[in-house]
Amino acid sequence: GAGVSQSPSNKVTEKGKDVELRCDPISGHTALYWYRQSLGQGLEFLIYFQGNSAPDKSGLPSDRFSAERTGGSVSTLTIQRTQQEDSAVYLCASSLGAGVSNEQFFGPGTRLTVL
Amino acid sequence: GQQLNQSPQSMFIQEGEDVSMNCTSSSIFNTWLWYKQDPGEGPVLLIALYKAGELTSNGRLTAQFGITRKDSFLNISASIPSDVGIYFCAGQREKLTFGTGTRLTIIP
Repeated sequence: GAGVSQSPSNKVTEKGKDVELRCDPISGHTALYWYRQSLGQGLEFLIYFQGNSAPDKSGLPSDRFSAERTGGSVSTLTIQRTQQEDSAVYLCASSLGAGVSNEQFFGPGTRLTVL
Repeated sequence: GQQLNQSPQSMFIQEGEDVSMNCTSSSIFNTWLWYKQDPGEGPVLLIALYKAGELTSNGRLTAQFGITRKDSFLNISASIPSDVGIYFCAGQREKLTFGTGTRLTIIP
């Protein structure tokens, strides 16, 4: 597709279950970012992949959060043993490369609700 | 994580009015960005600022990169219904740090 796509668009889960969120970046974009947006808040950086470099995981809030990027394209964000405070919109973005001159294009997000 | 101080939190205006919002930080940034987010969508970049003191326009939008590199403002002139949404500032060093957002509502 032409833009960043994410699936599912909505996910409702029970506390304690694991969830996987998927991001398909724009073709050819080497940089991929995950953000979390809690209700009424700005975006909070979670993790960043750039090419074959080791990912920058400095924004992950706990060890229950992890992400992979397979083959330099699709990425999966996994949240284990979900808690109610994990409820938020999870946004993925991609850019041609790293650095300030490369615009990040955002997907529509996955709205996660933990009951 | 850190978020930038953005004000006002919300604005209720009439169509045709001008809008002004700003963002401040305790840290210096090399780049300031302004995004707009519509319901159910991700943010879309409106304006990017790369130099302290820079004033940039994009149609009815004007933004400035503060001279101290710790603040930025966004003005929207002659607002129209499609301006409704949430506006976010973001400062960038390596990663983006976002403001808390300004929700713009146009009163009929």
